[in-house]
Amino acid sequence: AQKVTQAQTEISVVEKEDVTLDCVYETRDTTYYLFWYKQPPSGELVFLIRRNSFDEQNEISGRYSWNFQKSTSSFNFTITASQVVDSAVYFCALRNTGFQKLVFGTGTRLLVSP
Amino acid sequence: GAGVSQSPSNKVTEKGKDVELRCDPISGHTALYWYRQSLGQGLEFLIYFQGNSAPDKSGLPSDRFSAERTGGSVSTLTIQRTQQEDSAVYLCASSLAPAGGLEETQYFGPGTRLLVL
Repeated sequence: AQKVTQAQTEISVVEKEDVTLDCVYETRDTTYYLFWYKQPPSGELVFLIRRNSFDEQNEISGRYSWNFQKSTSSFNFTITASQVVDSAVYFCALRNTGFQKLVFGTGTRLLVSP
Repeated sequence: GAGVSQSPSNKVTEKGKDVELRCDPISGHTALYWYRQSLGQGLEFLIYFQGNSAPDKSGLPSDRFSAERTGGSVSTLTIQRTQQEDSAVYLCASSLAPAGGLEETQYFGPGTRLLVL
């Protein structure tokens, strides 16, 4: 069975604060892929990152960083020095080997106020 | 280059009517996916097309839902005899390849907001 849990429904921060969005996944596969997407108010899902299960190296891209820990089945996403433009719903997703579909979490709505 | 496009952007229909939603994938992408986003169910997979292979229809919620992909490009999702619970945003995505490497990343369109009255 595949499942993605984003326990944080909504997070509110003030601009320039750091914020971490949690993602916990369940899968029986040893090879799988994890993703983060951003959904701004316009509605389009924007791809942020893809991570293979055999690559636990953390990644940083500008103000964004991702912490992948297989031991805790977590793939958390941190935004450093948040900005108002970061306000969106963020989805974590899982794809198992052999299946093409993405299994999404329920999303975390991030509100960044000036 | 152009991204995934969907039409119409909004659709209001009456219960019992049929609707067709269209998706134009990114040029050159061989894989195409339909998802549904609703308040109660979140983001759900509906159907997947890859080249000339038989589609994976495992996510279609009922036989009122069907989809076609003509010429390996444009896809149409059809909902027959619409019900109020069909109200949702229908999202289309495409990827360069079905699996393996960065080419498998799914890129999404803006969606079609369907409201069934």
